This record gives sequence, structure tokens and C-alpha cells, in this order.
Amino acid sequence: DADVTQTPRNRITKTGKRIMLECSQTKGHDRMYWYRQDPGLGLQLIYYSFDVKDINKGEISDGYSVSRQAQAKFSLSLESAIPNQTALYFCATSGTYEQYFGPGTRLTVT
Amino acid sequence: QKEVEQNSGPLSVPEGAIASLNCTYSDRGSQSFFWYRQYSGKSPELIMFIYSNGDKEDGRFTAQLNKASQYVSLLIRDSQPSDSATYLCAVHSGAGSYQLTFGKGTKLSVIP
Repeated sequence: DADVTQTPRNRITKTGKRIMLECSQTKGHDRMYWYRQDPGLGLQLIYYSFDVKDINKGEISDGYSVSRQAQAKFSLSLESAIPNQTALYFCATSGTYEQYFGPGTRLTVT
Repeated sequence: QKEVEQNSGPLSVPEGAIASLNCTYSDRGSQSFFWYRQYSGKSPELIMFIYSNGDKEDGRFTAQLNKASQYVSLLIRDSQPSDSATYLCAVHSGAGSYQLTFGKGTKLSVIP
């Protein structure tokens, strides 16, 4: 089984809808991250969490929120989706400095 | 602002040749350096990391670090078509931070 899993893998939603992306990990890492990736823009950090009680905004947190339900689970929510949030979303975990990525969620907002 | 720069490519090399991928970074205090491979539509996969000046070899991959020049590179020997992907350089600045700063990646194409 994969160490970092993301659900759903693909999602199409409409403008204004609330959507949640979920991430689970079995690596036992404390640190978890959410990124989005757009063509030509590289990986942009949305939120990160160093433990269940520690959540921090990244460089592009507007329009997003997160919840760290347990050490192994970190969810990303789009409260009211808009078309420019169409992107590939990755969850990652780290024990020390190197990060390990989940398979990604391809989100399309129409 | 911490920056990591990579040539976007595409870098084209013939099968069997050495591919050389380069990365420069702006934060002189950076401590750890990582190379990720990303196939189109897939997630980044860690292939190498290096902490000290000099070379580090792992199979066909060699990472090279020169902190004085703020430069890190990845060499791929005996390049194969399966090496065709985008390679991301990532830098950890240290100082109690666990964030990585990623470059935008270099697209490598290995021509059979």
C-alpha cells in the first residue's frame, strides 16, 4: 500500500461549491503539507502542519482552509471553489527535511 | 525572498549520454538540497539529496554541491528514455524551518 494517499484522485466541481481533499499517511511523520501545481508555476505551498496543534499558512492560503484531524490525516478545503483553483493538488509528509508526496488530486472547477 | 532557479528546458540528450541538470539558489544559509523527478501528471519522487560540498553518487545519478557558488547539479549517466521527465530542485534553508523551496523544474527529454 502507498505511504501517502489522497482522495479523490480526480474531481470536477462547479463554481461556488465546497470541496474537501483528503490526505492520509502511514509513514508516521509529524509534518504534512498541501501544495498546488499549475503548469509553468511550479509547486506552491498552501498550508503546512508540524503536528496536530500546529497549522501554518503557506504562500497562497487565500480561499483555502485545512484541518489536521490526527497525526496521519490532513484535509484541505475549498470553501467556495472558483475556476482559478483548477490545478493539481499534492499532499506531502516529512520526517526530517526530505518530503514524500502523495499521488495528487486533479481538481477542475467549472 | 528565497529563490531556486532552474533552466526550464527542454533539455534534449541522446540515449546513453550524460544529462546535466543545474540549479542555483539565493539563500546562502541553505543546508540541504534535494532532487525530485516528476513524470507528466504524476507526483514528485525523491531521487537524491545532498548536504555537503562535493559529489554524491547513487547508481546512475550524481548530485554535486558547491555552497560557495550556491550551485547544485544532477548528472544522469547512461541516460535512458525512461529518464524523460521534469526534474525539480528543492532547497531547505535550515534555521529551524522544515519547508522546502522548489524550483520550477527542468524538463529532460532523452532521445532514443
